[in-house]
Amino acid sequence: NAGVTQTPKFQVLKTGQSMTLQCAQDMNHEYMSWYRQDPGMGLRLIHYSVGAGITDQGEVPNGYNVSRSTTEDFPLRLLSAAPSQTSVYFCASRSDRGLYNEQFFGPGTRLTVL
Amino acid sequence: GESVGLHLPTLSVQEGDNSIINCAYSNSASDYFIWYKQESGKGPQFIIDIRSNMDKRQGQRVTVLLNKTVKHLSLQIAATQPGDSAVYFCAENSGGGADGLTFGKGTHLIIQP
Repeated sequence: NAGVTQTPKFQVLKTGQSMTLQCAQDMNHEYMSWYRQDPGMGLRLIHYSVGAGITDQGEVPNGYNVSRSTTEDFPLRLLSAAPSQTSVYFCASRSDRGLYNEQFFGPGTRLTVL
Repeated sequence: GESVGLHLPTLSVQEGDNSIINCAYSNSASDYFIWYKQESGKGPQFIIDIRSNMDKRQGQRVTVLLNKTVKHLSLQIAATQPGDSAVYFCAENSGGGADGLTFGKGTHLIIQP
């Protein structure tokens, strides 16, 4: 299994541009999440999904959209990038077998908005 | 909202010594806690977890202690090795509506030769 994969690894955008961060997992996990990690701060939840067709907002959802058309994929969209969205973005997944189980993280996407 | 925090941003230990990383949490409803290790340029990696109905759990070279009375969590690493050098995060899942984790800010563990 490849686990959780993310693309791209690095991205530079200009203010106002749009882009999609890709996330995929091959573990048949129901739960997927997006976090952002900023210097001096822990990871903060942006959006999450408990299954295909179901998404919900996390702690910092503004400026981001998500969709979950398949179990495997959970893309994160920035419609109009802002410098405040400069961050490292992590996608994560876990199985639905009970509340207490391990969450697997992808390698991250480092995004810079100029 | 309530948050999880760590007492020290950096911890320096000698190779071979034991390391203790601390975490304070404030959400009394939290019932599940996790320690993650994050190496430079990588995503967080699960180390060990503990449920609120336990006060201690041991893994390979790691032990997590939970003190619900003072809302304190600690990670003990035995015989610290150079490969243990990383940032360590505690996280909690309060079991509420958001299916995600609340992370602390992290402690950078530095191993001295």
